[in-house]
Amino acid sequence: GNSVTQMEGPVTLSEEAFLTINCTYTATGYPSLFWYVQYPGEGLQLLLKATKADDKGSNKGFEATYRKETTSFHLEKGSVQVSDSAVYFCALRSPGNQFYFGTGTSLTVIP
Amino acid sequence: DADVTQTPRNRITKTGKRIMLECSQTKGHDRMYWYRQDPGLGLRLIYYSFDVKDINKGEISDGYSVSRQAQAKFSLSLESAIPNQTALYFCATSDVGQGNGGAFFGQGTRLTVV
Repeated sequence: GNSVTQMEGPVTLSEEAFLTINCTYTATGYPSLFWYVQYPGEGLQLLLKATKADDKGSNKGFEATYRKETTSFHLEKGSVQVSDSAVYFCALRSPGNQFYFGTGTSLTVIP
Repeated sequence: DADVTQTPRNRITKTGKRIMLECSQTKGHDRMYWYRQDPGLGLRLIYYSFDVKDINKGEISDGYSVSRQAQAKFSLSLESAIPNQTALYFCATSDVGQGNGGAFFGQGTRLTVV
């Protein structure tokens, strides 16, 4: 079956710290992988995506690489800002066009 | 205007009442979804529709029903609301033409059943 597992939070970092949020998946076939961000009181927004093995998605300083051998898609950012405080969701889109989401990781960045 | 619009944004209702949450989209996408978000559980799929004549149950469809009135409209109904249906509900769309594209979400409806 298809599922996504991401590290539990909450995560609290100081401004300019390095961020890693781990995400692993199980899937049948070859899924596309996504990271979404949810700011307080808002819906989920697509942050970045990767559609095949070894692809790197990037946006707003965030990056994630599709690792088929380790079935992972870890989110990284070299220097977080207070404005990055949000909940981050890892997700996959199966070949059958279903979306599967992780449970979300809350990030708080303190000045 | 938002591409995916949900109404109402907030709703408090009583146990046993029927309630409808509405979703409309201007993205021209064929596929529409209803999810429920609960703390610590992430997003769980309630129903999805791949076109106007196609309705499918998700993992937690019990107690819910949907209607796809048009390509752009997909409503979720709680026939007899109960307190454990208190949650944040999201509508989403995706494009069949971009098979590896992401889903686009509305702003959410916060429903409280008392």
